[in-house]
Amino acid sequence: GAVVSQHPSRVICKSGTSVKIECRSLDFQATTMFWYRQFPKKSLMLMATSNEGSKATYEQGVEKDKFLINHASLTLSTLTVTSAHPEDSSFYICSPAKANTEAFFGQGTRLTVV
Amino acid sequence: AQSVAQPEDQVNVAEGNPLTVKCTYSVSGNPYLFWYVQYPNRGLQFLLKYITGDNLVKGSYGFEAEFNKSQTSFHLKKPSALVSDSALYFCAVRDRTGGYNKLIFGAGTRLAVHP
Repeated sequence: GAVVSQHPSRVICKSGTSVKIECRSLDFQATTMFWYRQFPKKSLMLMATSNEGSKATYEQGVEKDKFLINHASLTLSTLTVTSAHPEDSSFYICSPAKANTEAFFGQGTRLTVV
Repeated sequence: AQSVAQPEDQVNVAEGNPLTVKCTYSVSGNPYLFWYVQYPNRGLQFLLKYITGDNLVKGSYGFEAEFNKSQTSFHLKKPSALVSDSALYFCAVRDRTGGYNKLIFGAGTRLAVHP
């Protein structure tokens, strides 16, 4: 298996502020990290793929200036929701890529923008 | 285009009865298929996978799934459901364009097991 730590698990912020979500792979080095967003009662949609030391690749329709991804080390990737609005409220889940095995996921972050 | 379909939004089953959660896929070439379970406000937990080999795959918590190439299906099954199995279940296929671990998910099926 793999140990993935995502923090915070739940955050409430005011509209217009920024929120940072951290994802750590605790027992392996992840050169690639996937960030997913899950709407209520919906499936997971891939937002972006980050690679250590380089710019993230965003899926179509995802605003890269709103969802800033930093993958500065092999064990840590961060997603920052900038100038958050109520429509950004969602469940965000990270998944560090590990070779030759199934995907592992963080515990998720419930973001509520008020 | 690669895709996964879970035709049922919700499945209801009585405790002790067998359960089936359906999944069909559309990929080119041989698929890598997965089942994950999600409890409220939690990330996804891996249940089982099919890469190659036996069509019947056994996984965690007594779950199993059968890969059927002719029907392009990968239904999740359990012989005797527990109330604690109530959760959201996702079928997924590996996205061949994105390297390992990049997944395409089905819409999810909510399983409700009644006492």
